[in-house]
Amino acid sequence: KNEVEQSPQNLTAQEGEFITINCSYSVGISALHWLQQHPGGGIVSLFMLSSGKKKHGRLIATINIQEKHSSLHITASHPRDSAVYICADNTGNQFYFGTGTSLTVIP
Amino acid sequence: DTAVSQTPKYLVTQMGNDKSIKCEQNLGHDTMYWYKQDSKKFLKIMFSYNNKELIINETVPNRFSPKSPDKAHLNLHINSLELGDSAVYFCASSQEGSGYTFGSGTRLTVV
Repeated sequence: KNEVEQSPQNLTAQEGEFITINCSYSVGISALHWLQQHPGGGIVSLFMLSSGKKKHGRLIATINIQEKHSSLHITASHPRDSAVYICADNTGNQFYFGTGTSLTVIP
Repeated sequence: DTAVSQTPKYLVTQMGNDKSIKCEQNLGHDTMYWYKQDSKKFLKIMFSYNNKELIINETVPNRFSPKSPDKAHLNLHINSLELGDSAVYFCASSQEGSGYTFGSGTRLTVV
């Protein structure tokens, strides 16, 4: 069984801070996903990556296949970044989700 | 133009009833999914389906069944609803090599 663990579980940051959320998984992957769920409940797919690094605006996702670890970075954080961030390990036809990191960015 | 639309958004029903949640995507994606998010906000995949293959999470009770009339639709039928079925159900779609697009969710409450 694949275990997907995220840290921290909860994170409060001041506006402008650089934020890192970590995700580790125990089994090899086809792809690693980062999802964002806003307080209203909607889910947005941020990244899907299987190697290296991807960047979209202020968001950066990295993955280290050997260490079975991925990070999501947010530069110049803003209150609108407040959400739950979920990583998901896609292995074959299976998805294993982390429990999420709840981020609050304070103005 | 909503890319992945689910209906209804809210559903309140009594135990024992049979209900359906509909999902439609206009993205031309090959694969569609149903996810369940429980009260602790933990997401779990229930089904993935493309025009070739239905993959069922073995932990999903057989009271849940996906029905796909065509590539753009994947409906979720639930028989004999139980209290523990109360959750938010998300539909999503994807195309190989790209990310996922989620519907806005259906909050099911079984009373």
